[in-house]
Amino acid sequence: ETGVTQTPRHLVMGMTNKKSLKCEQHLGHNAMYWYKQSAKKPLELMFVYNFKEQTENNSVPSRFSPECPNSSHLFLHLHTLQPEDSALYLCASSLKGQGNTGELFFGEGSRLTVL
Amino acid sequence: AQSVTQLDSQVPVFEEAPVELRCNYSSSVSVYLFWYVQYPNQGLQLLLKYLSGSTLVKGINGFEAEFNKSQTSFHLRKPSVHISDTAEYFCAVSVFDTNAGKSTFGDGTTLTVKP
Repeated sequence: ETGVTQTPRHLVMGMTNKKSLKCEQHLGHNAMYWYKQSAKKPLELMFVYNFKEQTENNSVPSRFSPECPNSSHLFLHLHTLQPEDSALYLCASSLKGQGNTGELFFGEGSRLTVL
Repeated sequence: AQSVTQLDSQVPVFEEAPVELRCNYSSSVSVYLFWYVQYPNQGLQLLLKYLSGSTLVKGINGFEAEFNKSQTSFHLRKPSVHISDTAEYFCAVSVFDTNAGKSTFGDGTTLTVKP
């Protein structure tokens, strides 16, 4: 099993659809992250979870709803998205806490297209 | 707060030529430094990292970087590039504290290796 697995790799949805992105890590890490990567824009940190608790929400619109049922799984629920939400959504994990370096381990991303 | 500036958004270079991708950072505390690489349609993967010790760090695929504390720089170098090095390169920092894991990324440098 690879370290961080994201599904689906590609997703096309209409603006009224509801879909979810899934991320699973097999590295024993305690922190998980969602990043958004749009064309020609910097990497944007969306959410951070530490031991299942959300510790950061960077002013993300409510049409994106994260869920972290345990320290190995992270979801991003999508509802009534806009075309400008089309992007590559990257999940990452790390060991968080004193003595840890902050090295991030990324999944391969979910390419989302909103029509 | 930390910030990362990648001084070149695009670097075109011919195959077998040397390359340097420049990264400067700003932080009021000590940091860990990273370079990540993103190949087309993939997630980010760690290329190399500076944690402490020797300021010259060697990574995968023949890349190396030098930490310069006085100039707050962490430039990435390779003496001879291959077509397969064409990718997006991201410089990142994370801080020495219990919240290690929240990385700050630069905007990325697109390296294009031409035959």
